[in-house]
Amino acid sequence: GGIITQTPKFLIGQEGQKLTLKCQQNFNHDTMYWYRQDSGKGLRLIYYSITENDLQKGDLSEGYDASREKKSSFSLTVTSAQKNEMAVFLCASTDSGTGGSQNTLYFGAGTRLSVL
Amino acid sequence: AQKVTQTQTSISVVEKTTVTMDCVYETRDSSYFLFWYKQTASGEIVFLIRQDSYKKENATVGHYSLNFQKPKSSIGLIITATQIEDSAVYFCAMREVITGNTEKLIFGLGTTLQVQP
Repeated sequence: GGIITQTPKFLIGQEGQKLTLKCQQNFNHDTMYWYRQDSGKGLRLIYYSITENDLQKGDLSEGYDASREKKSSFSLTVTSAQKNEMAVFLCASTDSGTGGSQNTLYFGAGTRLSVL
Repeated sequence: AQKVTQTQTSISVVEKTTVTMDCVYETRDSSYFLFWYKQTASGEIVFLIRQDSYKKENATVGHYSLNFQKPKSSIGLIITATQIEDSAVYFCAMREVITGNTEKLIFGLGTTLQVQP
């Protein structure tokens, strides 16, 4: 078994601030994801990465940057926090096999963001 | 585009009973993969069960089972002998291929289950 660790668990920022969220996994998974969860809107994909140093934009990438410097870690940066923004950011990973991956995503516990 | 719809916002049941949560999906793929996840009060999202579209048998894991009705594009989650600790938000999800063998999950909005003593 493995685990996905997200830090910090809670993040309070100021409007306009640049904020970085971190994610570490010890599954040795190739692909990692950042999802955003808003109340009533389900989970939406922000960025994903299929291997070290790879970055791919998801459906909600505007206003975010990401970094995958190691296979085990995937960081997300909110480039300019929006006033009164509240959301949960979830990191996930999966082992992408060949010939069409059918594998399950595993999630971290999330980072809860509040912007004052 | 693929889509996952959970029409039940919340359900309340008495413990030890059986509950079914609905989910319908839209896809053009001939082969696809469906998942159910549980999000606990702490926010943790845990994988529960999956159904591969080419399998005719409904998946079963512990007290979770699926009611897969392919002609209706429906994948209901059935929880038997519910327990208080089953109280959570349940998400239905479908795999969507992004490129090559990289995929993402598309999620429904979730159904909140409350199990009462």
